[in-house]
Amino acid sequence: AQSVSQHNHHVILSEAASLELGCNYSYGGTVNLFWYVQYPGQHLQLLLKYFSGDPLVKGIKGFEAEFIKSKFSFNLRKPSVQWSDTAEYFCAVNADSWGKLQFGAGTQVVVTP
Amino acid sequence: GAVVSQHPSRVICKSGTSVKIECRSLDFQATTMFWYRQFPKKSLMLMATSNEGSKATYEQGVEKDKFLINHASLTLSTLTVTSAHPEDSSFYICSARDGGSPRGDEQFFGPGTRLTVL
Repeated sequence: AQSVSQHNHHVILSEAASLELGCNYSYGGTVNLFWYVQYPGQHLQLLLKYFSGDPLVKGIKGFEAEFIKSKFSFNLRKPSVQWSDTAEYFCAVNADSWGKLQFGAGTQVVVTP
Repeated sequence: GAVVSQHPSRVICKSGTSVKIECRSLDFQATTMFWYRQFPKKSLMLMATSNEGSKATYEQGVEKDKFLINHASLTLSTLTVTSAHPEDSSFYICSARDGGSPRGDEQFFGPGTRLTVL
């Protein structure tokens, strides 16, 4: 069955630490990949997306993600987090022409001052 | 640009009543809208895909007679939860695709509607 897996459900780290969130998917064929962020009390916002081309994608707020096709992975990274990065992060995959997204379970990230 | 609104943001209703939730794309035309349900501390579950002027496509396990979706215009889709019961209590989120632009593969999300059924 098609699925999206996020390895960590809850991450706590200090400001200035580096962040890496894992995402793996199980789809055959061409996929579009996304990372969304949901800040407390706010709606989902797109951090970055990969459709084709350079597998290293840069997004907003200093985030980047790397698509590794052979590993079916699309891990999110940020070299130095800030307190304002406290949020829930969702990986999502789109594998059909309708644009339907399948989301991972999400990772709650808490950045302590 | 690319703002999606939902109304109401929060609704409390009695068991057995119906509730309508509106999703609007404010500054673009949404050829396709999606409805999701988010359980506490869980991910978003796609309920249905709604295309303007046609019937919605429901995901497996979602009762189409219970969750009525209407996409009457390019800027408005509605989700009606019919004969709501406490187990329907959830956070309902819509998203919209801007089919008329290069960002057509991106979905823009509404702020969500918290439904509580007593």
